[in-house]
Amino acid sequence: GENVGLHLPTLSVQEGDNSIINCAYSNSASDYFIWYKQESGKGPQFIIDIRSNMDKRQGQRVTVLLNKTVKHLSLQIAATQPGDSAVYFCAEKIERGFKTIFGAGTRLFVKA
Amino acid sequence: DAGVTQSPTHLIKTRGQQVTLRCSPKSGHDTVSWYQQALGQGPQFIFQYYEEEERQRGNFPDRFSGHQFPNYSSELNVNALLLGDSALYLCASSSRLSSSNEKLFFGSGTQLSVL
Repeated sequence: GENVGLHLPTLSVQEGDNSIINCAYSNSASDYFIWYKQESGKGPQFIIDIRSNMDKRQGQRVTVLLNKTVKHLSLQIAATQPGDSAVYFCAEKIERGFKTIFGAGTRLFVKA
Repeated sequence: DAGVTQSPTHLIKTRGQQVTLRCSPKSGHDTVSWYQQALGQGPQFIFQYYEEEERQRGNFPDRFSGHQFPNYSSELNVNALLLGDSALYLCASSSRLSSSNEKLFFGSGTQLSVL
């Protein structure tokens, strides 16, 4: 089915370390990319986005990197906290389009 | 400011039955998208509604249909339920008038189990 691909299904990190979650996308026409966080029993929650005219964008403790040449997206979480434990989805869409395509997700475990 | 609300939270049906799921978008939002999320997978786009019309549809059969009301709320209907329809159904809202209209706001979903 339609899915933005992910390199790792699970990631385990020590509290306080930095986390890097990777994602590969397949549609060269996509020009808007988003990371969502989904906690157990909840719907996905927006974390950060980036448009194709940028290669890096920073938020609070999070950074998204976009490499259009190899169609790769990554999410970096600084000083990972137990509250960061969740499933993270990368998603892509064509700006002004209607459909957002989600990847399969990476589960992040944070060890205290 | 209420976020996206969905009802019911859980539902159990048997094969062949029909189900209606409901969604109220976030205040100020006019666009509703529905997604199906199977266990351990990412959300799959079903369709999007704007101005009471279906604007785009994903790879789902005609058994899946929807509706949007003048107050922007929406329903997802699934007929002739199959075991494979068991999933979490997510509603997401957005605003076409917002500068951040690409961002989706999700409800907590309806967990549908088909027995």
